[in-house]
Amino acid sequence: SQTIHQWPATLVQPVGSPLSLECTVEGTSNPNLYWYRQAAGRGLQLLFYSVGIGQISSEVPQNLSASRPQDRQFILSSKKLLLSDSGFYLCAWSPWVGEQYFGPGTRLTVT
Amino acid sequence: AQRVTQPEKLLSVFKGAPVELKCNYSYSGSPELFWYVQYSRQRLQLLLRHISRESIKGFTADLNKGETSFHLKKPFAQEEDSAMYYCALRRGELSFGAGTTVTVRA
Repeated sequence: SQTIHQWPATLVQPVGSPLSLECTVEGTSNPNLYWYRQAAGRGLQLLFYSVGIGQISSEVPQNLSASRPQDRQFILSSKKLLLSDSGFYLCAWSPWVGEQYFGPGTRLTVT
Repeated sequence: AQRVTQPEKLLSVFKGAPVELKCNYSYSGSPELFWYVQYSRQRLQLLLRHISRESIKGFTADLNKGETSFHLKKPFAQEEDSAMYYCALRRGELSFGAGTTVTVRA
């Protein structure tokens, strides 16, 4: 069966520090991968999605970037965090056609 | 442009009362719509999809193309239904609504 992992579960970082959140998927090949941010009162916002290694699409301009160095690995990064980057980050995967499956999420607090 | 609208951020109902979560969408093609749910301390997960025309945990949702709506309904709410609910539209990737937090009171 397929599983999706995210780490860390929680993170507290100072403004201006770098960020790296990792997401990995097991039990499937060539998944579509997604990064979402879940902010209170603003719902679930798609940040990036990827249909293959090295292929990243960005939905909104932002202080974050994403990379997919391996088929089942998706990384969310920032060179310098802003206070507004605080939030709950969700990784998800889907087959080419079908529903999305979400990871447990990472709670990021930028201080 | 907002593609999925959930007008209610918070919804509070008594146990045993009917509950309806509203969802309206904006899409010119044939929509593929979903409801996702996130219970406290659990992952976001799929509740139901319109193409399945299924009832999950007593919930149903009917696609109304004329009103461009996909409201989620349950005739008798239970305390365990308390959760965050998201309506989503597939247009390649998924577009989510802002979510509705449902609280079912005893």
